[in-house]
Amino acid sequence: QSALTQPASVSGSPGQSITISCTGTSSDVGGYNYVSWYQQHPGEAPKLMIFGVSDRPSGVSDRFSGSKSGNTASLTISGLQAEDEADYYCNSFTSRHTGVFGTGTKVTVL
Amino acid sequence: EAQLVESGGGLVQPGGSLRLSCAASGFTFSGYWMHWVRQVPGEGLVWVSRITADGSGSTYADSVKGRFTISRDNAMNTLYLQMNNLRAEDTALYFCARDHNLWELDYWGQGTLVTVSS
Repeated sequence: QSALTQPASVSGSPGQSITISCTGTSSDVGGYNYVSWYQQHPGEAPKLMIFGVSDRPSGVSDRFSGSKSGNTASLTISGLQAEDEADYYCNSFTSRHTGVFGTGTKVTVL
Repeated sequence: EAQLVESGGGLVQPGGSLRLSCAASGFTFSGYWMHWVRQVPGEGLVWVSRITADGSGSTYADSVKGRFTISRDNAMNTLYLQMNNLRAEDTALYFCARDHNLWELDYWGQGTLVTVSS
């Protein structure tokens, strides 16, 4: 199972919006609405930010939103803040009942 | 508040074995699927394995299938990962995570480091 494809890095200025893409296949991202997104700061465990493509856990800022079109899922961060600088990973359920993470995206706040 | 604490990592020679544990507290452990995820320091997350709430079903990444076995003891609130025939490429920080509802990994431990080297 190959990793889902994410851009290596995305950057934006405070207050701007950025979008991170996550491209898979019809056997994972495109075939199921079980896509989740995780934020990871250096030295910390990952934190769930989005599940079920577009749902937010309680406690996660509404500046974070998710969507999907075909085989590509997306995470949008609006009103970018310094604390959003971190690595972000998508994850999907697959047709083999396994999981697969994306390659990861480093978000830099300029 | 749910808490997960991994243990059992360490230095092991290629071809050796290691068993990781993940102690759960603060929630009804027997009601949730659980996962293992690994990460080479400085690199990305890699999904390893998952097990159903009652332990009856499990799946594995191709890279560990046949060498790793996931299991759980619901009476002891503990998740395990038995790792056999370890390779250098298995060197990583291993996290356990709770699955709230089909691939929704809402609680993670801090990880335990496995180093495979001679």
